[in-house]
Amino acid sequence: DTGVSQNPRHKITKRGQNVTFRCDPISEHNRLYWYRQTLGQGPEFLTYFQNEAQLEKSRLLSDRFSAERPKGSFSTLEIQRTEQGDSAMYLCASSFGGRYIYEQYFGPGTRLTVT
Amino acid sequence: KNEVEQSPQNLTAQEGEFITINCSYSVGISALHWLQQHPGGGIVSLFMLSSGKKKHGRLIATINIQEKHSSLHITASHPRDSAVYICAVTGSARQLTFGSGTQLTVLP
Repeated sequence: DTGVSQNPRHKITKRGQNVTFRCDPISEHNRLYWYRQTLGQGPEFLTYFQNEAQLEKSRLLSDRFSAERPKGSFSTLEIQRTEQGDSAMYLCASSFGGRYIYEQYFGPGTRLTVT
Repeated sequence: KNEVEQSPQNLTAQEGEFITINCSYSVGISALHWLQQHPGGGIVSLFMLSSGKKKHGRLIATINIQEKHSSLHITASHPRDSAVYICAVTGSARQLTFGSGTQLTVLP
């Protein structure tokens, strides 16, 4: 396994358009996380899944954002009616899940620019 | 006030210098993580610790649970160490809460 992958790596879209990002986690990992990072800041949590169940969502995740993880494998993050404030790096991470805390492995990110 | 505070925000050092980056947190944690982020975005986990000290090569991470404080040390710094170093914590929830990062530049 080559690690966590994300597609596309870059996305430029016009305000008001919908965009969808994909994350493929490490295959043995049952937890998958989405984070968002704006320039000069640390990442912020958006949502996470254990297998196919979305267990927690941040208040940052407005109703324009939706995430899915069908069959507990890859995940998609969709942003509807994009706004300029959505411009950021969207990071995906995966880890083992369960009772203990496990290291998270990050993908390379998808950089979104809304014009 | 952020739950995770890092200092300094920016650090410039000469090659070979000993470097310390500090992290303070205000919440109860299950683990503290030190991460490295290179230009372009990729984040790599350096350490995950819940007590004491860990060492990997020239990197050392320590944590004091009572004082809610952690430090990342780099010995014999090298220009290839130049990156953003991020402190993050895991609380009762499993997601990470991040500090804003320390931009380290090591000059040859």
